[in-house]
Amino acid sequence: RKEVEQDPGPFNVPEGATVAFNCTYSNSASQSFFWYRQDCRKEPKLLMSVYSSGNEDGRFTAQLNRASQYISLLIRDSKLSDSATYLCVVNSGANNLFFGTGTRLTVIP
Amino acid sequence: DAGITQSPRHKVTETGTPVTLRCHQTENHRYMYWYRQDPGHGLRLIHYSYGVKDTDKGEVSDGYSVSRSKTEDFLLTLESATSSQTSVYFCAISEGFVDEQYFGPGTRLTVT
Repeated sequence: RKEVEQDPGPFNVPEGATVAFNCTYSNSASQSFFWYRQDCRKEPKLLMSVYSSGNEDGRFTAQLNRASQYISLLIRDSKLSDSATYLCVVNSGANNLFFGTGTRLTVIP
Repeated sequence: DAGITQSPRHKVTETGTPVTLRCHQTENHRYMYWYRQDPGHGLRLIHYSYGVKDTDKGEVSDGYSVSRSKTEDFLLTLESATSSQTSVYFCAISEGFVDEQYFGPGTRLTVT
């Protein structure tokens, strides 16, 4: 079983739609969680950290469910500029950090 | 944006030749990492460093070595490049071992 699993998509949604991605992880001792965004042929960029209490940044909401071992990312009112690949990251220490393979999102006009 | 640069940005080399990639940071972060990114595998950790001269292996360390003689520089060496090492290599930095990481722009390496 992979340490981190993501639905690769692609997700094709119209502008203004709400879309959600999930990411499951296998190590119950994982300590920190993040969502990154990666544009084509660019480096991953931190989108947001994921806290136990959940957190929101504008149109983006991240949640952590430790009992079921998954994290989620919700994007409301999708914009064309949201088109990218979204990577989840699960960290159990410096040499136990795992990236999901990414979920590709395309927002359609 | 975090001050991280990588050099070279692109390189084509032949099988069997040594290759060194450089990562330079201006953030004074303690941790530095090297990843490779391949289709279908996502980002995989090669080696990381938790201080000057302190390094450890990651998930896919075979065929790679690293060195860190200064806080700001982390070198990745392929002693004898193979075609399976054709990939995009990213350097990253973080303050602590469970903190968010910031990535450099990447090096696209092709081994022919």
